[in-house]
Amino acid sequence: AQKVTQAQTEISVVEKEDVTLDCVYETRDTTYYLFWYKQPPSGELVFLIRRNSFDEQNEISGRYSWNFQKSTSSFNFTITASQVVDSAVYFCALSEAGSQGGKLIFGQGTELSVKP
Amino acid sequence: NAGVTQTPKFRVLKTGQSMTLLCAQDMNHEYMYWYRQDPGMGLRLIHYSVGEGTTAKGEVPDGYNVSRLKKQNFLLGLESAAPSQTSVYFCASSYDLRTSGVFGETQYFGPGTRLLVL
Repeated sequence: AQKVTQAQTEISVVEKEDVTLDCVYETRDTTYYLFWYKQPPSGELVFLIRRNSFDEQNEISGRYSWNFQKSTSSFNFTITASQVVDSAVYFCALSEAGSQGGKLIFGQGTELSVKP
Repeated sequence: NAGVTQTPKFRVLKTGQSMTLLCAQDMNHEYMYWYRQDPGMGLRLIHYSVGEGTTAKGEVPDGYNVSRLKKQNFLLGLESAAPSQTSVYFCASSYDLRTSGVFGETQYFGPGTRLLVL
């Protein structure tokens, strides 16, 4: 069965520290997409990245980077030199090709608190 | 473009009352979704639609009904609200694989509706 696990419920760091948010997924499909969304205190969900199952290249966008490893079924998210504005709940999600309608399966979320 | 909008933003209901949440999108997306967010549980899919006039059940459909009479609108109804339905409700939309040619199109979310059932 499909599942996404974010084992870290809460993480607290001091500004400028690097932080990694873990995401482990389970799926029987060979074709799937993985996503990260950010939910700041204001409550909206902001799309960060989409990665397909055939592309294991790491991705970097400014201070954000993502490490996709199929061998360990993980799609981890690292924030370098964290800032207070990074404080939010971060969700990892999975969409399987075999699932009608492109449904997303979300992890439980990791609440990141960046203190000045 | 407004993207995905939701009405209302906040509502308080008494047990047994009914209400309808409205979701509208102006991106010409085929697919639309309703999720609920509860503490420690992430977002869970309630119902979804792959096109005008179609609906399907998600992970937690009980106690909810939906309708997609127009492509741009997706309504979520609670016929008899229960305290267990206290939650934050998010609507989302995305392109269809057949339209975009890209599997796994990104879902874009509305701002959410906070519902409190007393």
